[in-house]
Amino acid sequence: QKEVEQDPGPLSVPEGAIVSLNCTYSNSAFQYFMWYRQYSRKGPELLMYTYSSGNKEDGRFTAQVDKSSKYISLFIRDSQPSDSATYLCAMNSAGGYQKVTFGTGTKLQVIP
Amino acid sequence: GAVVSQHPSWVICKSGTSVKIECRSLDFQATTMFWYRQFPKQSLMLMATSNEGSKATYEQGVEKDKFLINHASLTLSTLTVTSAHPEDSSFYICSATTFQGSEKLFFGSGTQLSVL
Repeated sequence: QKEVEQDPGPLSVPEGAIVSLNCTYSNSAFQYFMWYRQYSRKGPELLMYTYSSGNKEDGRFTAQVDKSSKYISLFIRDSQPSDSATYLCAMNSAGGYQKVTFGTGTKLQVIP
Repeated sequence: GAVVSQHPSWVICKSGTSVKIECRSLDFQATTMFWYRQFPKQSLMLMATSNEGSKATYEQGVEKDKFLINHASLTLSTLTVTSAHPEDSSFYICSATTFQGSEKLFFGSGTQLSVL
């Protein structure tokens, strides 16, 4: 079993839709949770960063962490064609230079 | 936000030659840099962790003599793929973090290496 599971997609939605991206994980030591957006042949760009359980909102993006279920989500409201990219979840344990574990990424396509 | 510059963005080389990839933190001091490899439709695979002024720590299965990492200053780390072969063709990405911890990573734009 992988430490982090993420549906690779692709996920196609019409412009303006609400998008839900999810990851599950097995390591209960993970405390920091991140979402990255990666355009083709580019480095990942940090979108959201959260610590422990709860919600965090930034513009059209909302990150949600449920540590009891080992489940994290990223919601994108009013999706735009420019949101078309691969979204990677990532997580690591508390403190120090801990190795970050990435999901395989979900490819999202927002259709105009 | 923090900027990490990676160069070159793509390189084509002949089998048997060596290729050097640079990773620079432009507006912060990066005591730790990370090197990843990414295959199509797969996640980022950590190759090594590079700390300024010390030897890199390689992940299991990564040949340290083939992938030479140097982190000579707080703003520059280099990855040299020595005696490259076609199976080394991949997308290589660096990232950097500040001394405050690894909660946030900032990535370079990646280097596509094609070995003929």
